[in-house]
Amino acid sequence: GQSLEQPSEVTAVEGAIVQINCTYQTSGFYGLSWYQQHDGGAPTFLSYNALDGLEETGRFSSFLSRSDSYGYLLLQELQMKDSASYFCAVRPIYSGNTPLVFGKGTRLSVIA
Amino acid sequence: EAGVAQSPRYKIIEKRQSVAFWCNPISGHATLYWYQQILGQGPKLLIQFQNNGVVDDSQLPKDRFSAERLKGVDSTLKIQPAKLEDSAVYLCASTPRGARNYEQYFGPGTRLTVT
Repeated sequence: GQSLEQPSEVTAVEGAIVQINCTYQTSGFYGLSWYQQHDGGAPTFLSYNALDGLEETGRFSSFLSRSDSYGYLLLQELQMKDSASYFCAVRPIYSGNTPLVFGKGTRLSVIA
Repeated sequence: EAGVAQSPRYKIIEKRQSVAFWCNPISGHATLYWYQQILGQGPKLLIQFQNNGVVDDSQLPKDRFSAERLKGVDSTLKIQPAKLEDSAVYLCASTPRGARNYEQYFGPGTRLTVT
């Protein structure tokens, strides 16, 4: 089986940097994805790490270490609009089709 | 391009009633997904279509849930009869032909309340 662990809540100050961790237990997967979801809104894709290392997209970066079973999403220069839930997700490697498996999400609150 | 469309946005029904949700994916997207998202949790896949064929419905409670995508475009998800534990947001997502499923485009969802 597979499980993804994320902190349930994180609070950070506007303009600061915040890191949202995702640890997982799965025998193998294709890569780690991150999604953002505002209250009442649709999840939107943020980033994908197929390989170990850091991927940067503007103020957001994502990191993966398969040897440590660990990844994180880094948000820089936090803005109030970044207040949302963030989900990590993996697609496990099994035979046949494998669905995207989401973590329970981390609710980020950005305060002034 | 237009995003994934879903309707209705909200639905309140009593237990044992039936309900149907509709989804129109992004034009040209071959793969369509239905997810259930319970409050405080991540989306959980219910069913995946490739064109009009079912790829994965292993987590669909088939005794009460059904879904179809007859012409390979829009899709409906039905619950009959509903239970209290079906209260959730039902999300539809799609991906283009040949794309990996790690980047999915989600609709706004239908929030279902079963009383």
